[in-house]
Amino acid sequence: QKEVEQNSGPLSVPEGAIASLNCTYSDRGSQSFFWYRQYSGKSPELIMFIYSNGDKEDGRFTAQLNKASQYVSLLIRDSQPSDSATYLCAVNEGSGSSNTGKLIFGQGTTLQVKP
Amino acid sequence: DGGITQSPKYLFRKEGQNVTLSCEQNLNHDAMYWYRQDPGQGLRLIYYSQIVNDFQKGDIAEGYSVSREKKESFPLTVTSAQKNPTAFYLCASSINRKSEQYFGPGTRLTVT
Repeated sequence: QKEVEQNSGPLSVPEGAIASLNCTYSDRGSQSFFWYRQYSGKSPELIMFIYSNGDKEDGRFTAQLNKASQYVSLLIRDSQPSDSATYLCAVNEGSGSSNTGKLIFGQGTTLQVKP
Repeated sequence: DGGITQSPKYLFRKEGQNVTLSCEQNLNHDAMYWYRQDPGQGLRLIYYSQIVNDFQKGDIAEGYSVSREKKESFPLTVTSAQKNPTAFYLCASSINRKSEQYFGPGTRLTVT
């Protein structure tokens, strides 16, 4: 059973701090990794995706991927109360011709940014 | 306006009734997906389609059926055989099976 693991939290950080969200996955063949933000009662919104080892930055968000350790993380700099949400990590099942297009989701980490 | 639409936003049904949830996209995406989310849980894949007139079962397909007669549309029917149908249903689409998925606003189904 392929799995994606996240700490459910809540992770509480003060406004202006760096929030660090972590995710591990079991399928060593996975090639694509996604972070979604989900506000309470709403649908998930894609905020980052990463395919290669290393860091990818987009504004206040940085995704970090380490395939050897099967670990992907999301850093949010200068956290704002509006960042308070659940963050879902998703991993694409398989690679190359065995890439099914299926995403395996973690259960999500709830982030609380306190003013 | 490009995007994914789902209707209705809220749906109430009596046990034993079949119900069909609508999902439409005008993004010209080939692949479409249906997920289910239960409170405090991650998303679970019900069905997916990578091309018109073709679809595959996901991890929890029992009690559900789909069709993909048009590229833009991927309706989901929740049948009376689904034991616990009350959930938040999310439709997503992507350019192809290797690309990122974008979600519609969801349909919240309550069966009593």
